[in-house]
Amino acid sequence: EAGVTQSPTHLIKTRGQQATLRCSPISGHTSVYWYQQALGLGLQFLLWYDEGEERNRGNFPPRFSGRQFPNYSSELNVNALELEDSALYLCASSLGTGDLEKLFFGSGTQLSVL
Amino acid sequence: QQQVKQSPQSLIVQKGGISIINCAYENTAFDYFPWYQQFPGKGPALLIAIRPDVSEKKEGRFTISFNKSAKQFSLHIMDSQPGDSATYFCAASKEGFNDMRFGAGTRLTVKP
Repeated sequence: EAGVTQSPTHLIKTRGQQATLRCSPISGHTSVYWYQQALGLGLQFLLWYDEGEERNRGNFPPRFSGRQFPNYSSELNVNALELEDSALYLCASSLGTGDLEKLFFGSGTQLSVL
Repeated sequence: QQQVKQSPQSLIVQKGGISIINCAYENTAFDYFPWYQQFPGKGPALLIAIRPDVSEKKEGRFTISFNKSAKQFSLHIMDSQPGDSATYFCAASKEGFNDMRFGAGTRLTVKP
């Protein structure tokens, strides 16, 4: 069974541009979570989608946004990129609402902002 | 936003030794405490988790010790192996609440 898949693996952008990151959850999982993993800071919660709706967002500015499609895949968009947005962006999926005990992570997208 | 403090940042242990990583939390509403293991180029994977109704949970060589009054929990890796070399994250969450808080991570190196 395929795990959580993320694309692209690496993304290089310049300041002010927009970045789009994609995530396909494990088959049957309806909840998708996005985390930012910056060097030395651990994982910071960004967004949670379930059944196509944004359920919660972390303490990030509105230029971080996303959506979940009918097939439960998800997209994270980062507008007006800043240098400090450089980080590993991790997507995770779970079976249902708040089912944190079964959280499965993808390998991430490494975003570099130059 | 950081509500979980993890130490040490890095740890070097000899093969066969015991690795100990500590975490402290602030929010007494947290009631789920997982540990994640992350290898380079991979996402974190759930290693072991505990709820505050027990003081210890063991799975193979991995043990979580939990001290509710001190708001601290720790991961012990017995008989550490080179294959255990990875970054370990503790986390805490309130059940049903998706905003899980992670520690900053500990890079463990087990020398052969």
